[in-house]
Amino acid sequence: DTGVSQDPRHKITKRGQNVTFRCDPISEHNRLYWYRQTLGQGPEFLTYFQNEAQLEKSRLLSDRFSAERPKGSFSTLEIQRTEQGDSAMYLCASRRGMGANYGYTFGSGTRLTVV
Amino acid sequence: GQSLEQPSEVTAVEGAIVQINCTYQTSGFYGLSWYQQHDGGAPTFLSYNALDGLEETGRFSSFLSRSDSYGYLLLQELQMKDSASYFCAVEMTNAGKSTFGDGTTLTVKP
Repeated sequence: DTGVSQDPRHKITKRGQNVTFRCDPISEHNRLYWYRQTLGQGPEFLTYFQNEAQLEKSRLLSDRFSAERPKGSFSTLEIQRTEQGDSAMYLCASRRGMGANYGYTFGSGTRLTVV
Repeated sequence: GQSLEQPSEVTAVEGAIVQINCTYQTSGFYGLSWYQQHDGGAPTFLSYNALDGLEETGRFSSFLSRSDSYGYLLLQELQMKDSASYFCAVEMTNAGKSTFGDGTTLTVKP
């Protein structure tokens, strides 16, 4: 169990640029989630996958955000035309099993700063 | 809409017992989870309650009352390393998305 890996750890970008983050979940976990967290708040749901299928996407997410999980392994989260309000920690998580009693295993996150 | 209420800060001394409450109003409810997050770290899973009652895991216990839309996390024999933020999270469906509270910052003093 190598844990959930996220890359990069930090990203500074200029407003208007596109950014892409990668997440490698624990290999036997078939559900993968993306959350966003800002200072002083709890994680906010963005989207999740079961294997390669994207099962739900937050209505708060604009069309500038897209996520993929090709082949049901790693996942990418892309933000197009970044805005200053996108600055946050982007957390990836996976679950060991199909039940809610299997808590999330979170990665260390990608901290995005839009300047 | 969805809302979870937790106290923003709690302070206690080493060796003491502290209870962090969480009340929720959500459109769906499958269970209540608790997570710990140290400064600069990722949230880590502590406990999960689907049914009313108390679940005990070592020094930590978690309680749920579905009829009152209320739960709490109980931390016993507090240690300095327990200083962290604690989040309650409503599991909206079985292993689907979750809605997190804004967290309670626990400070343990010597």
